[in-house]
Amino acid sequence: EPEVTQTPSHQVTQMGQEVILRCVPISNHLYFYWYRQILGQKVEFLVSFYNNEISEKSEIFDDQFSVERPDGSNFTLKIRSTKLEDSAMYFCASRPSGLMNTEAFFGQGTRLTVV
Amino acid sequence: AQSVTQLGSHVSVSEGALVLLRCNYSSSVPPYLFWYVQYPNQGLQLLLKYTTGATLVKGINGFEAEFKKSETSFHLTKPSAHMSDAAEYFCAALGVNTGFQKLVFGTGTRLLVSP
Repeated sequence: EPEVTQTPSHQVTQMGQEVILRCVPISNHLYFYWYRQILGQKVEFLVSFYNNEISEKSEIFDDQFSVERPDGSNFTLKIRSTKLEDSAMYFCASRPSGLMNTEAFFGQGTRLTVV
Repeated sequence: AQSVTQLGSHVSVSEGALVLLRCNYSSSVPPYLFWYVQYPNQGLQLLLKYTTGATLVKGINGFEAEFKKSETSFHLTKPSAHMSDAAEYFCAALGVNTGFQKLVFGTGTRLLVSP
């Protein structure tokens, strides 16, 4: 069964360092998302991506964040200069096109720890 | 703005007892509604969803949910809890009147099942 794959599963980084979280969405999906979940809190929307551009972003997604689809398969989230409060589980999701294809498929997540 | 409210951050039941997890949405236009489950150290897995049609939807693992427009609710139920149901459950809404349809999550309910 096709699945969304995220790497790494766990990343520890020092404050101020850049991190890149990687995702391989399901191959025929056209909408891509990043969500995050700070420990003990709800899952929050960060950004959606369609047709090679950001379609919507939340207020959390400031200039420190960027997304890219560098090739036909990967979808990355970059945090330029990490802060302690960026520590969270980051989920990638993808969805097919079509109004009735409403289910977003989530990856297993990357746990980012900023120290 | 659309929002999802889950009453009770923790729900405890005995094995074999009825499970009821509450979810209410706030939207002028009824959204599509979802329940996701998150097992420890894992990603988000779709349990069930409501888009259109029958208001009682059945999902995996014996769970079901009923969409009640008059109550703006989408409560999740299971007649008989099993130890393996212990997990975090998230209700989410997808606004049908927004272009790229990001999921809005509730704060989650942790289900605890005792022997």
